Amino acid sequence: AQKVTQAQTEISVVEKEDVTLDCVYETRDTTYYLFWYKQPPSGELVFLIRRNSFDEQNEISGRYSWNFQKSTSSFNFTITASQVVDSAVYFCALSEANEGTYKYIFGTGTRLKVLA
Amino acid sequence: EAGVTQSPTHLIKTRGQQATLRCSPISGHTSVYWYQQALGLGLQFLLWYDEGEERNRGNFPPRFSGRQFPNYSSELNVNALELEDSALYLCASSLKPGKTEAFFGQGTRLTVV
Repeated sequence: AQKVTQAQTEISVVEKEDVTLDCVYETRDTTYYLFWYKQPPSGELVFLIRRNSFDEQNEISGRYSWNFQKSTSSFNFTITASQVVDSAVYFCALSEANEGTYKYIFGTGTRLKVLA
Repeated sequence: EAGVTQSPTHLIKTRGQQATLRCSPISGHTSVYWYQQALGLGLQFLLWYDEGEERNRGNFPPRFSGRQFPNYSSELNVNALELEDSALYLCASSLKPGKTEAFFGQGTRLTVV
């Protein structure tokens, strides 16, 4: 069965610090997709990134970077020089093809608080 | 381009009543997903509709049901409301089920009193 674990329930950092959010996944499929979402206080989930299981290249987008390692089943998210606007709940998600019953499985989320 | 839209934004119902939540996907998306997010909890998968058919269902009782219309909009019905049904209900749509990202609406906050 597929599962996503975000062990960090809540993280607090001071503005300009770097912070890494951990995500560990479980899947039996060789083809799967990983995602990160941000949920600000307004409630709407904002898509950040998608990674395919066959593409282990790390990605950088501005202050955001993602480290995908199949060997450890991890897909970690780093925010460099954090800002107060980064305060939100961040979710990691997994989808896999299981007899055509695609669904997105989410971790329990990590609440990030960036203090001014 | 309009994103995923949900209505109403807030809904207050009495225990035992029925609630109907609506969702319009992004234009061109045929898949619609429903999730429940109870306070302080993660997203629990409820239902997946694609091309008008229910394709998958999460571990929720039958009083949670829905449908997808020919224009791919969707409706979630919750019958015999219970206090623990109070939650944020999120709808999402995707272009290729599971293979591309799901885009979420702003949610419907359902409060059962």
